[in-house]
Amino acid sequence: DIQMTQSPSSLSAAVGDRVTITCQASQDIGHHLNWFQHKPGKAPKVLINDAATLETGVPSRFTGRGSGTDFTLTISSLQPEDFATYYCHHYATLPYTFGQGTKLETK
Amino acid sequence: EVQLVESGGGLVQPGGSLRLSCSGTGFTFRNYAMHWVRQAPGKRLEYVSGISRNGDSTYHADSVKGRFFISRDNSKKMLFLQMSGLRPEDTAVFYCVKASNYNLWTSNPDSWGQGTLVTVSS
Repeated sequence: DIQMTQSPSSLSAAVGDRVTITCQASQDIGHHLNWFQHKPGKAPKVLINDAATLETGVPSRFTGRGSGTDFTLTISSLQPEDFATYYCHHYATLPYTFGQGTKLETK
Repeated sequence: EVQLVESGGGLVQPGGSLRLSCSGTGFTFRNYAMHWVRQAPGKRLEYVSGISRNGDSTYHADSVKGRFFISRDNSKKMLFLQMSGLRPEDTAVFYCVKASNYNLWTSNPDSWGQGTLVTVSS
């Protein structure tokens, strides 16, 4: 199975900050990578597909970059509603595998 | 709006069985591959099973192969996961996930349900 390494595992930031989360795949996955946001008790929400394509309705402050094995998610100016846990996962083949998550907390 | 609502979770004894269901509305259910993903307490998300749009192709992770069986009823817009031989390590929140198209193998998951908790304990 493809291994996904996500960092950091937690991040403290303030409203207005710019934050970046990284995700590394153990082998080339092309652009087959999603980023999603998860808040407790809610359905996970996909933010970005194909490594860089914003899902409909997702604010433009979210940016995904990368291809092959190295990927990033950047939030340009944190808003109060952005404090949540973020995950990357690949869908290059089955089984999909997931990063361990990044918990974004308010400083 | 896509809505995925899981049901059927609960407490079950080791070795027991449980059937999870997922209702899919707000999209043409029969056109999309579907998946189950789970998250055990304190662990990372784990892919469980997937099924093609017409049900003729399925995939199960090695950890559940031979114990879990994914199926669907397109006429009722329902996805199922029949689980047997349950173990304590199967304790997790199980999520129903919709793919972005019919392709079971490489279409990106684009919508998730809220999940249903399965607890395996005596």
